[in-house]
Amino acid sequence: EAQVTQNPRYLITVTGKKLTVTCSQNMNHEYMSWYRQDPGLGLRQIYYSMNVEVTDKGDVPEGYKVSRKEKRNFPLILESPSPNQTSLYFCASSLQGQNTEAFFGQGTRLTVV
Amino acid sequence: GIQVEQSPPDLILQEGANSTLRCNFSDSVNNLQWFHQNPWGQLINLFYIPSGTKQNGRLSATTVATERYSLLYISSSQTTDSGVYFCAVQVQGGSEKLVFGKGTKLTVNP
Repeated sequence: EAQVTQNPRYLITVTGKKLTVTCSQNMNHEYMSWYRQDPGLGLRQIYYSMNVEVTDKGDVPEGYKVSRKEKRNFPLILESPSPNQTSLYFCASSLQGQNTEAFFGQGTRLTVV
Repeated sequence: GIQVEQSPPDLILQEGANSTLRCNFSDSVNNLQWFHQNPWGQLINLFYIPSGTKQNGRLSATTVATERYSLLYISSSQTTDSGVYFCAVQVQGGSEKLVFGKGTKLTVNP
């Protein structure tokens, strides 16, 4: 089944404790991205990747890192999480960036205390 | 940047009713998608519809790109249709990110 898989689905952590949210897609898509969803602010792009080893900042990149060492994986790294990073996170992929349908993972609900 | 406006913001229906959700956008787009966010937070793809009309069961969508709007029709609504419906677009000639509207929250009562 074609899908985007995120892990974990739920995570509660403490301020400052590094964490990684994994994202994997099995559709051989070139373009992958991360969004966060917050009440009143909607979904905003954090980082994106056009292809392996090519990443760039989205609208809200502060406090996050990403890497794209393999085409299928695009992990989101929070080096020192803070409470303002409590949010619902989505990974997405599409065949190419423009003019192609995007598919989203199941979401990761992160709480930083 | 582009503005994506969805209406109505909230909609309450009785099971079996029909509804139309609207998405207006302020610039030319080359991608438009409709999503359903279920009560568990998952974003489910409904339609990839930069132009034209598509149907999938009880749902159908129409995008009139030249007039910068899209419509999502839900017929014979069911309680499982409840959730938030989002329209998302990519600006023509712009970045690859999807710009989302604020959504329409649909509640279908039995």
